[in-house]
Amino acid sequence: DVKVTQSSRYLVKRTGEKVFLECVQDMDHENMFWYRQDPGLGLRLIYFSYDVKMKEKGDIPEGYSVSREKKERFSLILESASTNQTSMYLCASSYTAGQGGYGYTFGSGTRLTVV
Amino acid sequence: AQSVAQPEDQVKVAEGNPLTVKCTYSVSGNPYLFWYVQYPNRGLQFLLKYITGDNLVKGSYGFEAEFNKSQTSFHLKKPSALVSDSALYFCAVREDDYKLSFGAGTTVTVRA
Repeated sequence: DVKVTQSSRYLVKRTGEKVFLECVQDMDHENMFWYRQDPGLGLRLIYFSYDVKMKEKGDIPEGYSVSREKKERFSLILESASTNQTSMYLCASSYTAGQGGYGYTFGSGTRLTVV
Repeated sequence: AQSVAQPEDQVKVAEGNPLTVKCTYSVSGNPYLFWYVQYPNRGLQFLLKYITGDNLVKGSYGFEAEFNKSQTSFHLKKPSALVSDSALYFCAVREDDYKLSFGAGTTVTVRA
């Protein structure tokens, strides 16, 4: 079974802290993604990476950065956490869709609360 | 741009009744379509996909989806809903070689 593991299920951080969310996948997927999910707003893409050390901005990159030093690991960094970053964060991975047939595999999510 | 729409925020059915969750798509070329389910405080789980071939696709937990090219729809169905099917359902379409584009989600409530 493909597994995408997010390091924390629940996190509580203080405003202004630097926050690291870690995601590891074990299926040699080229692509990895970070989404945030908020009620009424669906899934919004923050960043994605299609290869080691490569990254692309998604729809809402402001206030976030990412790191992909190894193929299996994709980290989301909140440089200075703010209360409006309280959300559910979802990591996903996939193969590059040469024939369109590949979907995502998601982690279990990290519910982050910034106080 | 490829996109999907889920016209219903909520669907409520009685246990044992048929369940349908609607999805329409807008794509250039052949669509690659997916359904995911999310239980409370969990990540999304893959249910099924349409790539090519039969218009009726069977997936996990007794779900199926019907691809209709003329109506640009990909509705999720289950003949007899269970209380445990209560969850948030997302339709998605492949946007490019890397990304999927997701609908806003439909909350399904199955009452006993």
